[in-house]
Amino acid sequence: DVKVTQSSRYLVKRTGEKVFLECVQDMDHENMFWYRQDPGLGLRLIYFSYDVKMKEKGDIPEGYSVSREKKERFSLILESASTNQTSMYLCASRVSTDTQYFGPGTRLTVL
Amino acid sequence: SQKIEQNSEALNIQEGKTATLTCNYTNYSPAYLQWYRQDPGRGPVFLLLIRENEKEKRKERLKVTFDTTLKQSLFHITASQPADSATYLCASDNYGQNFVFGPGTRLSVLP
Repeated sequence: DVKVTQSSRYLVKRTGEKVFLECVQDMDHENMFWYRQDPGLGLRLIYFSYDVKMKEKGDIPEGYSVSREKKERFSLILESASTNQTSMYLCASRVSTDTQYFGPGTRLTVL
Repeated sequence: SQKIEQNSEALNIQEGKTATLTCNYTNYSPAYLQWYRQDPGRGPVFLLLIRENEKEKRKERLKVTFDTTLKQSLFHITASQPADSATYLCASDNYGQNFVFGPGTRLSVLP
């Protein structure tokens, strides 16, 4: 069965901290994505990756970076967390032009 | 820029009735549209995909239509049940070039 896992379901950090959100998929998918979801704004694409060591900016990349050193793992990094980055973060993966499989999400609170 | 609108933020219907959710897109022509279900605190789960050359797609009690003239997709749940209560998201991309989600419609099926 398809599986996308995220390192934490809930995370609380302080302003200015460096935050790592990890995502792992076991389906050998080439494409992986990071979204954030906020009430009234829906899902917004932060970054995506077509392959190992490749990354593309999505709609809202400011304040974020990503790393993809292995095919199965895609990390989202908040270099210096701010309160406006409090959100639900969702990772997804897929094979080329096919459905996206989402992880359970990480609810991040920045105090 | 590309945009997807779902015309109802929330929809309440009686159990047994057919729920119809609407998705409209503007400023581009997606190669296909997808529908996802999202339960509170969880990641979206893929339901159906319909391509631009398909008029209708069915899966059990679910039916999706795609009208490229109206730039619209309709999502129907027949014989709705309280267990169908969730947020439903419309999404599209154009062979991997654009990744856009609608804001979602929160469906409540009342017993």
